[in-house]
Amino acid sequence: KQEVTQIPAALSVPEGENLVLNCSFTDSAIYNLQWFRQDPGKGLTSLLLIQSSQREQTSGRLNASLDKSSGRSTLYIAASQPGDSATYLCAVKAGTALIFGKGTTLSVSS
Amino acid sequence: DTGVSQDPRHKITKRGQNVTFRCDPISEHNRLYWYRQTLGQGPEFLTYFQNEAQLEKSRLLSDRFSAERPKGSFSTLEIQRTEQGDSAMYLCASSITGAEAFFGQGTRLTVV
Repeated sequence: KQEVTQIPAALSVPEGENLVLNCSFTDSAIYNLQWFRQDPGKGLTSLLLIQSSQREQTSGRLNASLDKSSGRSTLYIAASQPGDSATYLCAVKAGTALIFGKGTTLSVSS
Repeated sequence: DTGVSQDPRHKITKRGQNVTFRCDPISEHNRLYWYRQTLGQGPEFLTYFQNEAQLEKSRLLSDRFSAERPKGSFSTLEIQRTEQGDSAMYLCASSITGAEAFFGQGTRLTVV
């Protein structure tokens, strides 16, 4: 059974710091991996999608990597801003649906 | 078309009542998913449609839950005889086969 783990559960950083969020999954047989952002009480906003054949994807200050063989993905956020404060969710697609981790709650202080 | 739309955004209901939620996916997306999210957890899969066909249902989807997607457009999720344990955020997502999934803003259900 596929399981997704995100570490740390919570992270507080000062504005301007570069940071890395971690995601691990137990079964390397995945189609793709997607990172999402969720603000309190809101839905999910897609940040990056990495297909199983890809190693990384970049969008603005965000860079996501995928190492299927080791079952790991990282989300790198450069020059963090208070507006980046949110919960970041990692999800893998191994069958029909996405399987999510519990998320990392990020707080960026000004 | 600006994205996945869900209605209502919030619903408070008494235990034992029936509730129905609506999801309007991105228009060209053939796949539609329903997920449920409780506090501090990631979303959990409930059910999936490809066009109008409901192809998969999670064991989380008890007999009190039913979903439809008539004509492969919008979808509805109905919960009959609601229980306090049904209180959660219900999320709808849509995608094109093999591509990125886009989520709506969710419907927050509170059963009192």
